[in-house]
Amino acid sequence: AQTVTQSQPEMSVQEAETVTLSCTYDTSENNYYLFWYKQPPSRQMILVIRQEAYKQQNATENRFSVNFQKAAKSFSLKISDSQLGDTAMYFCALISGNTPLVFGKGTRLSVIA
Amino acid sequence: ETGVTQTPRHLVMGMTNKKSLKCEQHLGHNAMYWYKQSAKKPLELMFVYSLEERVENNSVPSRFSPECPNSSHLFLHLHTLQPEDSALYLCASSLFDREEYGYTFGSGTRLTVV
Repeated sequence: AQTVTQSQPEMSVQEAETVTLSCTYDTSENNYYLFWYKQPPSRQMILVIRQEAYKQQNATENRFSVNFQKAAKSFSLKISDSQLGDTAMYFCALISGNTPLVFGKGTRLSVIA
Repeated sequence: ETGVTQTPRHLVMGMTNKKSLKCEQHLGHNAMYWYKQSAKKPLELMFVYSLEERVENNSVPSRFSPECPNSSHLFLHLHTLQPEDSALYLCASSLFDREEYGYTFGSGTRLTVV
């Protein structure tokens, strides 16, 4: 079975600082995809960044980057230059094999002015 | 707006009512999903439709009944619900066999059962 674990229920960061959200996962598949989704108070789940397991290079999208450690099954999200609009729930998610998207419990991030 | 539209945004219903949630996408996707999001729990996959056929039903109680009349529309029919069914119900869509693109989600329907 595929599982995703986020061990930080809540985090906070000062505006303009950097924060890292942790995620570990488990799958027996060799080919899979990892995602970070953001859910602001508007409730819409927004794709932030994705990583393909067969790519060693860490994905980057503007201020968002990941640290993908395949052997450790770790997939952390780094947010640089945090902005007030980054305040949201962040979900780590995994697709592998024929299994639909599986989510972690989420991390509530608060950006403080 | 992501391209996946859910209505209504909020719904309050009694335990004896019958109601339906609607989801619509015009992204050209051919797979659609219902997820349940409760407080302090991971998102739970309820139903999957791929190419308009139901391919997964994760032991969801029969008081929830999905319908997918075409690849653009997905419904969740509700009847005789329980208070513990109160949650945010999220619809998502994707391209079948193109998992690398992830899913596109709607804003959800906040359901309260009284």
